[in-house]
Amino acid sequence: NAGVTQTPKFQVLKTGQSMTLQCAQDMNHNSMYWYRQDPGMGLRLIYYSASEGTTDKGEVPNGYNVSRLNKREFSLRLESAAPSQTSVYFCASSEAFMGGNTIYFGEGSWLTVV
Amino acid sequence: GENVEQHPSTLSVQEGDSAVIKCTYSDSASNYFPWYKQELGKRPQLIIDIRSNVGEKKDQRIAVTLNKTAKHFSLHITETQPEDSAVYFCAAPKAAGNKLTFGGGTRVLVKP
Repeated sequence: NAGVTQTPKFQVLKTGQSMTLQCAQDMNHNSMYWYRQDPGMGLRLIYYSASEGTTDKGEVPNGYNVSRLNKREFSLRLESAAPSQTSVYFCASSEAFMGGNTIYFGEGSWLTVV
Repeated sequence: GENVEQHPSTLSVQEGDSAVIKCTYSDSASNYFPWYKQELGKRPQLIIDIRSNVGEKKDQRIAVTLNKTAKHFSLHITETQPEDSAVYFCAAPKAAGNKLTFGGGTRVLVKP
């Protein structure tokens, strides 16, 4: 039982390049999330998927797109990377979307855009 | 949207002393308040949470208190140990959903 697995762990991109962060969970959770973490700013929600087949914007969606491929997988795409997107990205999941459901995080993906 | 303010941003304590971190929130409909611990280079992990129908919850050396009237909640760590050194985040959901808004984090350093 691996929990939430995300790849890659580290990536360096040039400005303007595109890439996709992959995430999969094996806990049969309905809800999945993508957060970014910048120093001193906590964790900010980029996009979330309350259930399979739905996606919604979070606090900071600009410059990103997501796909809920199936119940297990939720990917995050940067179409044209910018230095402001240098951050640590965490995928997460929870059993359901209602408040009170524990959110489990993946190990993080360190992205640097130069 | 929900605003969550967390203080202090850094906290240094002597081993064995207590540590207290406070968070305030803005959405009076928030009903669930988790605390996450993040060790250096690791993922955030839930350590304790509280729901709006109780005022205090304890789990060994950690406790969380909630004051709904004042819209603030606090994490208390007693008898601190070096392994408590980490960044701690509070969070609150917007209304009934699980769109958690996180505080900015508190870096706790426990000095032996």
